[in-house]
Amino acid sequence: SQTIHQWPATLVQPVGSPLSLECTVEGTSNPNLYWYRQAAGRGLQLLFYSVGIGQISSEVPQNLSASRPQDRQFILSSKKLLLSDSGFYLCAWGSGTGHEKLFFGSGTQLSVL
Amino acid sequence: AQTVTQSQPEMSVQEAETVTLSCTYDTSESDYYLFWYKQPPSRQMILVIRQEAYKQQNATENRFSVNFQKAAKSFSLKISDSQLGDAAMYFCAYRSAMGSSNTGKLIFGQGTTLQVKP
Repeated sequence: SQTIHQWPATLVQPVGSPLSLECTVEGTSNPNLYWYRQAAGRGLQLLFYSVGIGQISSEVPQNLSASRPQDRQFILSSKKLLLSDSGFYLCAWGSGTGHEKLFFGSGTQLSVL
Repeated sequence: AQTVTQSQPEMSVQEAETVTLSCTYDTSESDYYLFWYKQPPSRQMILVIRQEAYKQQNATENRFSVNFQKAAKSFSLKISDSQLGDAAMYFCAYRSAMGSSNTGKLIFGQGTTLQVKP
């Protein structure tokens, strides 16, 4: 069966420090991968998605970047965190077809202080 | 670009009663999919129900049903016989089904927090 791993669960970082969040998927090949951010008590904003290795699409201009070095690995990064980068980050994967749902990771709560 | 709007930040319902959560969306596409996700306090995203735009029949999943009005671009969720475990944040989401736009990405609304009172 397919599983998605996301880590760490919680992260507290100072302003200006780098960031690396990792997400891996098991039990499927060539998944579509997504990074979402959820501000406190708000909806999910799509940050990046990838339909294949090395293919990254950015949805919003921001301080973050994403990479997909392997088929089932998706990394969210920043060179220098801002206060506004705080939030709950969710990785998800899907088959990219029709009515199929997205499978979400357990999320990372990032606090930038 | 497509947008999804949930105009009710918070709703409450008495246990065993029925509640309806509203969702509207804006799109120029004719073929798409709509979803309702639930996010309990654990913050895990759970699919509640989904609807294909080409289907006129409203989707149902046990106590959950939708009222899909394509012309009005409305997709409301009805929860019958509400239970304490239904307390969560509910998100409406849109996915394009058009060829070049078929990246599988979901566009979410801002969410509605549902409180269930015993």
